[in-house]
Amino acid sequence: GAGVSQSPRYKVAKRGQDVALRCDPISGHVSLFWYQQALGQGPEFLTYFQNEAQLDKSGLPSDRFFAERPEGSVSTLKIQRTQQEDSAVYLCASSSPDRGLLGAFFGQGTRLTVV
Amino acid sequence: AQSVTQPDIHITVSEGASLELRCNYSYGATPYLFWYVQSPGQGLQLLLKYFSGDTLVQGIKGFEAEFKRSQSSFNLRKPSVHWSDAAEYFCAAEETSGSRLTFGEGTQLTVNP
Repeated sequence: GAGVSQSPRYKVAKRGQDVALRCDPISGHVSLFWYQQALGQGPEFLTYFQNEAQLDKSGLPSDRFFAERPEGSVSTLKIQRTQQEDSAVYLCASSSPDRGLLGAFFGQGTRLTVV
Repeated sequence: AQSVTQPDIHITVSEGASLELRCNYSYGATPYLFWYVQSPGQGLQLLLKYFSGDTLVQGIKGFEAEFKRSQSSFNLRKPSVHWSDAAEYFCAAEETSGSRLTFGEGTQLTVNP
């Protein structure tokens, strides 16, 4: 597609429910990042993939958070047993090997509300 | 620890006035620097980036930023603000090209008619 696509755009989950957030990066982009943006805050890094390899998951806040990118394209961020503090916008970004010229492209995000 | 600081949480300017948004970084070596804009319900759009070379960087929508190594700053400027510039602006840095971004807290810009 023309840009990074994230779905769903909005998700309301009951506390304790599992959720899965999807990211379709720009075709051919090797690098994929997930960020969490709490209300009124800047985005914070969660995890990074290069192709299918998860090279950095140091930002994942707990073992309830899990991300995968099995074929090096689409990525899914899964949150198990959601809690209220998980409420945030989850942003996905992708970039190409020559990103030095282009920078990272961000999707519109998924707004997760845990009630 | 590596960090990016935006000292101004909220700035209000009149349409047609000049604008400067402040950004300071704390890194061991000079990082790559970015400014992004985020409108309500939208993702982040890259305005401009600094990798090396000229300290004055031109971006989209008439924005520019000046890198000052001595002050560890990368301030965003626009000579004449338009009402459509009202949004949240984020300064960000990365240690190496293609690595994770560290964002500031953001500056909310309000433009008065």
